[in-house]
Formats: sequence, C-alpha cells, structure tokens
Amino acid sequence: AQTVTQSQPEMSVQEAETVTLSCTYDTSENNYYLFWYKQPPSRQMILVIRQEAYKQQNATENRFSVNFQKAAKSFSLKISDSQLGDTAMYFCASKNEKLTFGTGTRLTIIP
Amino acid sequence: EAGVAQSPRYKIIEKRQSVAFWCNPISGHATLYWYQQILGQGPKLLIQFQNNGVVDDSQLPKDRFSAERLKGVDSTLKIQPAKLEDSAVYLCASRSTGAGTEAFFGQGTRLTVV
Repeated sequence: AQTVTQSQPEMSVQEAETVTLSCTYDTSENNYYLFWYKQPPSRQMILVIRQEAYKQQNATENRFSVNFQKAAKSFSLKISDSQLGDTAMYFCASKNEKLTFGTGTRLTIIP
Repeated sequence: EAGVAQSPRYKIIEKRQSVAFWCNPISGHATLYWYQQILGQGPKLLIQFQNNGVVDDSQLPKDRFSAERLKGVDSTLKIQPAKLEDSAVYLCASRSTGAGTEAFFGQGTRLTVV
C-alpha cells in the first residue's frame, strides 16, 4: 500500500520569509513520482512541483524547491520569499499506479 | 487549452436521495480520477479510469456509489442513496499518458447532505 504523511496541519510565516513543508511517504515501488499540489480557497488543485524518484537532483521551480531524500522517503517543499498568494492548502502526493495524497498543510502568509 | 470541467459546482440534497456529478476531462487525457475530499482532509481516491476501463475502485463504496466513463471521455459519479457522511467536495482529475505526467483538476462539486 502507498501512504503519504504530512505531519504539519498548519503553518504560518511572515511575508518574504522562507518556509519548509514536510512530507514522508511509503511505497514498495522503485519507480514513482512525487508531487506538491496547492489548493487555494477556490478549491482548484494546482501543481506546484514534481520529482521523479530516479533523479537524484532536487527539482526547482522559481521560488519553490524540494529536498528529496529517497532513502529516508522524505520529500519536503521549500518556499522562498513567500508571498501572500502562497496562502493555501498544500498537498504532497505520490504516484506509481495510483495518485495518493497526504492530509495537507494549511499555509498562511502573514502580511 | 480547456481545463477539466465539472458540474454542478454545488449541490444540497436530503439523506436517502440520489445525486449525480459530471466530469469532462481535458481532451485526449486517457486517465480520469474521482476523489472525495472531506473538509479538512486530503483527497481520497474513489475510482480511476484508463480510457473507459476501471483501473482501481478499491475505495469506492459500491453499495451506494457508482461511476462510469462511457466512450472513454466524460464521466459521471452517482450516489444512491446519499448519507450525511457523503458531504464532501468531489474532485475530478485527468491526466495524459505517461508515468510522471501532471494530473489536472476540476473545481470540484461541493455536496451537502442534510
């Protein structure tokens, strides 16, 4: 079975600061993909960043980067220079055959 | 490119009534998912289609939920009869072929069972 755990239900940070959201996962597969999705109050899930498990290099998308530790099955998201528009629920997800989500972290950026 | 379309956006029904949700995925996307997202929780996969075949429906409460994807395009999810605990947002997502491709989500249908 595939599981994804997000241990931080809520986080808040001042605008322009850096914040890191944690995620651990468990899978028996060797080939899988990891994603971070953002869900603003409008409800529509939007992909933030993805990581292929066979790639050692951490993915980066502008202000968003990941710290992928395959042996530890850890996949954290770092948001640099946080902006008010980053306020949302963030979900970590793992995919081999199924796309499985964690329980989410509610991130609030404080002006 | 048009996104994933879902309707209705909101639905309120009484318990024991039936309800149906509709999803139109992005054109050409072979994989379609239905997720249930209870308030404050992460999305839970109900059913996954590959074209018009079911890949995974292990978490679909088959005594009351059903889903179909005729012709491998649009999909409907039905609940009959609804229970109070079915109150949730129902999300549809689609993805093109390819192991690491992104799943695109619709805006969801918020169901309230009273």
